[in-house]
Amino acid sequence: GAVVSQHPSWVICKSGTSVKIECRSLDFQATTMFWYRQFPKQSLMLMATSNEGSKATYEQGVEKDKFLINHASLTLSTLTVTSAHPEDSSFYICSARAYGPTDTQYFGPGTRLTVL
Amino acid sequence: AQSVAQPEDQVNVAEGNPLTVKCTYSVSGNPYLFWYVQYPNRGLQFLLKYITGDNLVKGSYGFEAEFNKSQTSFHLKKPSALVSDSALYFCAVRDIRNSGGYQKVTFGTGTKLQVIP
Repeated sequence: GAVVSQHPSWVICKSGTSVKIECRSLDFQATTMFWYRQFPKQSLMLMATSNEGSKATYEQGVEKDKFLINHASLTLSTLTVTSAHPEDSSFYICSARAYGPTDTQYFGPGTRLTVL
Repeated sequence: AQSVAQPEDQVNVAEGNPLTVKCTYSVSGNPYLFWYVQYPNRGLQFLLKYITGDNLVKGSYGFEAEFNKSQTSFHLKKPSALVSDSALYFCAVRDIRNSGGYQKVTFGTGTKLQVIP
């Protein structure tokens, strides 16, 4: 149980284009989903937190107009990188947390974004 | 504020030997503590967590961790290391008083475990 999927697993795009990454909780309802960015050999940097049906809460320094997050249902959240540039190239990981006392976050396999 | 520290960037251990990956934390109240493992180009996999109760927590793949409140530590251990345990390990903490619209978990910087055959 507690499986989170991400699609696509990798994407290469041209500078200036937009890329959408999907995060799905496959066997549970995720009241909260998190989006992280990981640079090589570094820890996870929380970008934003989204609750179903609400606007995402962005961490300081993360541009909300550049990284659009939608959490339309209890099993799906999307991250859209708008007008991508080479510096946006990174490993993006989502996680999902179900409502309840366990507090465990379950992570997707990540999406490798390369912007040319 | 909450924080977590993993003082070792890398830990090397011979296959079959016991391993320890260190983690210390800082929270205002009581902590929820987690360990995750990450294999190359993959997301994080949940290993174990401490919420309350027994200080020794057993998790996946034979790993365990001991919560030590006086030392504010939550070290990850395994009695006998396998080559397949080689990966990046992350410790994470959340203050149980950290409520509101969401509960943010703070991750450590990660420790690379290298098990030598």
